[in-house]
Amino acid sequence: ELKVEQNPLFLSMQEGKNYTIYCNYSTTSDRLYWYRQDPGKSLESLFVLLSNGAVKQEGRLMASLDTKARLSTLHITAAVHDLSATYFCAVDGRYGNKLVFGAGTILRVKS
Amino acid sequence: EAEVAQSPRYKITEKSQAVAFWCDPISGHATLYWYRQILGQGPELLVQFQDESVVDDSQLPKDRFSAERLKGVDSTLKIQPAELGDSAMYLCASSLRQVRTAGELFFGEGSRLTVL
Repeated sequence: ELKVEQNPLFLSMQEGKNYTIYCNYSTTSDRLYWYRQDPGKSLESLFVLLSNGAVKQEGRLMASLDTKARLSTLHITAAVHDLSATYFCAVDGRYGNKLVFGAGTILRVKS
Repeated sequence: EAEVAQSPRYKITEKSQAVAFWCDPISGHATLYWYRQILGQGPELLVQFQDESVVDDSQLPKDRFSAERLKGVDSTLKIQPAELGDSAMYLCASSLRQVRTAGELFFGEGSRLTVL
């Protein structure tokens, strides 16, 4: 059974600082997704990573995928308050044909 | 921009009552998903449709939950009778094809259920 673990589950950081959120998963997969969720809102797609070594960047966020280590990272550069949200990674189990989500990382950026 | 439509946005009901949620996926999206998100947790898949057929309902509590997508377009998720533990956000998502080839899910705004 595919399991997805994120850490940390809660992250409080100062504006301007850098930090990384980690997403580990338990079975083979070559597809991983990052979503953002604001309080009371639905999930917004951030990145779709489709192969080993994939790296995508959008503004202050950069996501990467290492399928051999079964690890994805979401790196935040020079955080700003607007990045405060909950971030989820989701993995497509190779034979499951469905997305399994991590528990989410609550990010709070303090000014 | 095309969106996944869901209704109602909020529903408060008493234990043992029936409740239903509706979802209209993005036009042309063959695959439709219902996820349940308990506060503080990640979404969990309840049921997945490919056109009008159920592909995966292994996590759907079938004694009280039912889902249908009769014409392969919009879908209804029903709970009867509702229990306190059903309080959650019910998210509908759609994709052009199944996840393995689709590459991306698009989520609706969700239906928040509170069972008293």
